[in-house]
This record gives sequence, structure tokens and C-alpha cells, in this order.
Amino acid sequence: AAGVIQSPRHLIKEKRETATLKCYPIPRHDTVYWYQQGPGQDPQFLISFYEKMQSDKGSIPDRFSAQQFSDYHSELNMSSLELGDSALYFCASSLDLGELFFGEGSRLTVL
Amino acid sequence: GQQVMQIPQYQHVQEGEDFTTYCNSSTTLSNIQWYKQRPGGHPVFLIQLVKSGEVKKQKRLTFQFGEAKKNSSLHITATQTTDVGTYFCAGRYNTDKLIFGTGTRLQVFP
Repeated sequence: AAGVIQSPRHLIKEKRETATLKCYPIPRHDTVYWYQQGPGQDPQFLISFYEKMQSDKGSIPDRFSAQQFSDYHSELNMSSLELGDSALYFCASSLDLGELFFGEGSRLTVL
Repeated sequence: GQQVMQIPQYQHVQEGEDFTTYCNSSTTLSNIQWYKQRPGGHPVFLIQLVKSGEVKKQKRLTFQFGEAKKNSSLHITATQTTDVGTYFCAGRYNTDKLIFGTGTRLQVFP
């Protein structure tokens, strides 16, 4: 069965650089979520999209933006990277507000 | 803002002992989900509770949703080494977003 696909799996950036993470949700799922998880922390909700429209916003910094495209894939853009942005970024998708299916995550390291 | 707290933060048990984690929300939830995350892995869905006072069982796992729909618990009977991981509750309010609890990290010693 198809799962949530995230790329890249690992990313190393310098401070003040820009990074883009991609997510391909499970086909026919109507909602995409982005979470940020620091070491030993719980996943922090960043943003969600329902049928390609932004539906909810959490603790997403102004330096970050996200969108969902016509093919349903989503991208998280992070600019002016800071050391504190180093984390595991998860994308998840769901159908009808049911269980979330998570991708393997993208590990961002900011040096 | 909406917050979901879990206790304890860590729990170390001997294999065969029971384990319980408790989850509390500052406001009423529309439903609650539970996830397990193994070290180095991603959260994996365990169950969803929707009704006030609901109790669901999955083999050795028992999940409860409080009458006021503000708290929940997960109880594991006779833990096994395969139960090792971090257990998160995640509360859904009247929006799309799912707020994760602070998690309880379970370590099981053989």
C-alpha cells in the first residue's frame, strides 16, 4: 500500500540559508499536516491543508511557509534558517479527520 | 492555547509489569488518538476514541476516554520488550489540527 513519501530524508544547511521539504500524501487523502519534532520532544503542529487549502496553523514561524499543489503534494519552505530549526520534520496525511499516516520524516541539520 | 499534557514523562518497568500513561487536555476534545513512536521512527497510529467514557481494548492495551472528554489513559498489561517506545496521545479540537501530548517514554527491562 502507498505510504506518505517525504524528501529529502536528510538535509544539511548553513545558517541563513533556505530549505524546501517535499511531501507526497497517500492518494485520495484529503488533509496534509506538517509537524516539527526536536530531539526528545513531542511533534509540534505547524500547519495543515484540507483539499489544497490551508485549514489550520500552529506554531509555524513567519520564516516558514507551506503550500499544497494541484497534484496534492505539499512543500514546506524554510528561509533564514536558524540553529534552532534543526529538527525532524514530519508530513502526515489523513482522510475524513481519521488517523494520521506519517512519513519517515526529513531530518534538517542547520550548521 | 490548547495544550495536552502527559504523565509520566518516563517510565521504566520490568518485563511483565503493567504500565499506564495519562493524558490531560486544558479544554474539551472532540476526539483523541494515541500513537506509538519507536526510537528513530515515526509516530504510528494505535487507536481513536470519540465518545465520552469510551473504553477500547487491543490485546494487552486498554484505552479510556474520560467522561468530560478532557482526559484519556493508555494501560498496557504485562509489558514486553516490544512495547518500548514513546506513547503520545493527540487531541483533536473542533478544527483539523491534532495537538500531540508531551509523550511518555517507556523502557522495558527484560
